[in-house]
Amino acid sequence: TQLLEQSPQFLSIQEGENLTVYCNSSSVFSSLQWYRQEPGEGPVLLVTVVTGGEVKKLKRLTFQFGDARKDSSLHITAAQTGDTGLYLCAGFSGGSNYKLTFGKGTLLTVNP
Amino acid sequence: NAGVTQTPKFQVLKTGQSMTLQCAQDMNHNSMYWYRQDPGMGLRLIYYSASEGTTDKGEVPNGYNVSRLNKREFSLRLESAAPSQTSVYFCASKRSGNTEAFFGQGTRLTVV
Repeated sequence: TQLLEQSPQFLSIQEGENLTVYCNSSSVFSSLQWYRQEPGEGPVLLVTVVTGGEVKKLKRLTFQFGDARKDSSLHITAAQTGDTGLYLCAGFSGGSNYKLTFGKGTLLTVNP
Repeated sequence: NAGVTQTPKFQVLKTGQSMTLQCAQDMNHNSMYWYRQDPGMGLRLIYYSASEGTTDKGEVPNGYNVSRLNKREFSLRLESAAPSQTSVYFCASKRSGNTEAFFGQGTRLTVV
C-alpha cells in the first residue's frame, strides 16, 4: 500500500491545455513536496508546501496543500512541451523528518 | 559542483553475484538515501541514514545492505543479486532541517 497516492498515473495532453494532478493520503504530513524527473535524470525539487491551505505559484505551475495537510495538487496552466516529465509528490513519513517517501508519480506528456 | 555522485552508471550482473553501489555527496549533508525506481512504481525507499553512524530500513530493504562509511559516503550492497533487483537505483542526500533532497543521476542495474 502506497502512503501517497497520485492520480492520474498517465496524462497525455495537447500544448496549451490546462491540467491538474493530485496527491492524496490518509495520513497527515508536516509538509509535502513536488519533484519533477526527466528521462535519465534524478528528480529535482519544484516546491515544498508546509501550511494547510497554502497555495504556491511557480510561473505556470500552481501548488496547493489541503487544509487538513493530507493532500496536494499541482495545476499547470497552458502546458508546454517542456513540461513533459514525471511529477512526483513526496513527504516525510513515520513521524520523522528523515524518512522521505514518494508516490508513484504522474507521467505527463505534452504533445505539440 | 559535483553534488551527489553515483558509481557505476550501468551494471549487468548474473544471478547470485554480489556488488556494491557507491554514492558520495560533497554538500556536507547529514542525511542520505537509497531508492529504487521501477516502471509505474515511482521511487521506493530501500534504506536511509538520518546522520553519520545511523541507518534505517525503508519500504523495500530485503536483499540489500547499506554502510554509511562517513558523512560523505553511503553504499548499497547486493549480496546475492536476483532478477527482481533489476532496477534504476538513486542515491539522495538532504541537509538536516531542510526538506529538499538532492539526487544523483542513478545506476541502471540489470540482473540476468
